[in-house]
Amino acid sequence: DAGVTQSPTHLIKTRGQHVTLRCSPISGHKSVSWYQQVLGQGPQFIFQYYEKEERGRGNFPDRFSARQFPNYSSELNVNALLLGDSALYLCASSPYAQSHEQYFGPGTRLTVT
Amino acid sequence: DQQVKQNSPSLSVQEGRISILNCDYTNSMFDYFLWYKKYPAEGPTFLISISSIKDKNEDGRFTVFLNKSAKHLSLHIVPSQPGDSAVYFCAASTNAGNNRKLIWGLGTSLAVNP
Repeated sequence: DAGVTQSPTHLIKTRGQHVTLRCSPISGHKSVSWYQQVLGQGPQFIFQYYEKEERGRGNFPDRFSARQFPNYSSELNVNALLLGDSALYLCASSPYAQSHEQYFGPGTRLTVT
Repeated sequence: DQQVKQNSPSLSVQEGRISILNCDYTNSMFDYFLWYKKYPAEGPTFLISISSIKDKNEDGRFTVFLNKSAKHLSLHIVPSQPGDSAVYFCAASTNAGNNRKLIWGLGTSLAVNP
């Protein structure tokens, strides 16, 4: 069975640009969460989506947005990129919004120059 | 404010011996705890979890112990193998209304030496 997939693997952007990251959850999983991991830190929660609705939002500015599609895949959008947005962006899927275990994709490494 | 703390950034263990990774938390509302293993350039891999109503959960070479009164949990790996070398993250699951999110520690880098 395919695990969580994310694209692209790596991305280099310039300050002020916007970026779209994509995630496909494990088949049968309806919940997708996004996390940002800065080097040397643990992942920080950005969003959770379940059944196409936002269920939770972390402490991130409005430049960060996301959505979930009818097939449960998800996009994370970041506008007006800052140098500090450089990080590994992780997508995790789980069967339901209240599921304890979350299963992670390989991440997208975003570098902002 | 770090709600989940892993105070040892690194740990080195001899192959075949026990590895003990520690984690402390501050929020008594956490009701589920998880350990993830992470290799460079990969996403975290779920290892083992424990509910706050239990004090021990075992899965093969991995055992997690929870001491609620001390707000402390530990992951024991025995026997340790070189392939266990990775960064280990402790995470706490919190019920934030109609969703769940994971609060993570900073990780402990484990090196198992042959």
